[in-house]
Amino acid sequence: EVQLVESGGGLVQPGGSLRLSCATSGFTFVSYGMSWVRQAPGKGLEWVSSITGGGGHTYYADSVKGRFTVSRDNSRNALYLQMNSLRADDTAVYYCARSSGWPFYFDYWGQGTLVTVSS
Amino acid sequence: QSALTQPASVSGSPGQSITISCTGTSSDVGSYNYVSWYQQHPGKAPKLMIYDVSARPSGVSNRFSGSKSGNTASLTISGLQAEDEADYYCSSYTSISTYVFGTGTKVTVL
Repeated sequence: EVQLVESGGGLVQPGGSLRLSCATSGFTFVSYGMSWVRQAPGKGLEWVSSITGGGGHTYYADSVKGRFTVSRDNSRNALYLQMNSLRADDTAVYYCARSSGWPFYFDYWGQGTLVTVSS
Repeated sequence: QSALTQPASVSGSPGQSITISCTGTSSDVGSYNYVSWYQQHPGKAPKLMIYDVSARPSGVSNRFSGSKSGNTASLTISGLQAEDEADYYCSSYTSISTYVFGTGTKVTVL
């Protein structure tokens, strides 16, 4: 059974940093791309970032480019999102999603972790 | 990249068919057959319903079908059931190697 479990969310002040993690199991991690998608409270889905299976290619939304960094540790079956220079509009539930095919579609999702940016 | 345009709400009675539209541009929906659809129940994670415009993942009911014409993709739910009441989002690959989601549609079963 494919499982994705996010962690690392919480309350952070504007300008601060946070690192999200996504622990995975139930599939051959290195064979799949992975992505982060966020959802602000009461709002729609927004794609944030993707990384290919080997980690050699990364992609970012303009809204986070230069502030967020996606990475993965294929030995630990884990995905990460380093978030710096956080702003109030980064407040959202952050989902990690297994990404299949190319271009990707997001076929399995975690339950999400809430990031709140506020003073 | 602007969000794809979806109707805010669509409703139907049990057993009826409804269609949700998803309008983009020639830089996303119109140029690629890489549109996917997601169902999200309140407080839950999204679930993949359709990928590559019309492909259905294993385990998804064949009551769900997808299509595309020009810059507009569509999701049709036939034989509407109470469990189909949820938010639905489309998504497309774009010409700048990013992904864009739709504005979301709330489906109500009357």
